[in-house]
Amino acid sequence: EPEVTQTPSHQVTQMGQEVILRCVPISNHLYFYWYRQILGQKVEFLVSFYNNEISEKSEIFDDQFSVERPDGSNFTLKIRSTKLEDSAMYFCASKASGGASDTQYFGPGTRLTVL
Amino acid sequence: AQTVTQSQPEMSVQEAETVTLSCTYDTSESDYYLFWYKQPPSRQMILVIRQEAYKQQNATENRFSVNFQKAAKSFSLKISDSQLGDAAMYFCAHSKGGGSEKLVFGKGTKLTVNP
Repeated sequence: EPEVTQTPSHQVTQMGQEVILRCVPISNHLYFYWYRQILGQKVEFLVSFYNNEISEKSEIFDDQFSVERPDGSNFTLKIRSTKLEDSAMYFCASKASGGASDTQYFGPGTRLTVL
Repeated sequence: AQTVTQSQPEMSVQEAETVTLSCTYDTSESDYYLFWYKQPPSRQMILVIRQEAYKQQNATENRFSVNFQKAAKSFSLKISDSQLGDAAMYFCAHSKGGGSEKLVFGKGTKLTVNP
């Protein structure tokens, strides 16, 4: 069964460093999402992406964040200058079509630790 | 704005028994979708069940069923014949119909299954 994959599974970085989190969505999916979950808290929406542009972003998704689909398969989240409060699980999700009846399938997540 | 409330931070159930997890939501939309996601200790987000708001019939997936009360904006999850593998965090989520359809999550309920 097709699945969303994410790399790395765990990333440790120093405050102020740039990190790139990578996702490979399910191949025929058109809509892509990033969510994050700070330890012990709920899952929060960051950004949605369709047709090579951002569809919607939350207030969390400030100028330090960017997303890109550099080729036909990868979907990346870049944090330019990490802060301690960026430590969280980051989930990528993808969906086949624009109707909400289509399910968002989540990847296994990347645990980001900022020291 | 959409909100999702899960009033039970933790629940426990004996193996083979039935448990119900509560969820209420608030939305001004007429077209929307509701989901339950399971997050085991691996922290992967796994879809359990989905309900379209326009459908009166409650969704069912094997041992999992929902009680969708649209007027009350309530969406509870019933797990029958609970198994040890059902132990996880359960998140209720809401999505508008149309557009990017981000998911808005509740804070989750931690379910423990006792042997």
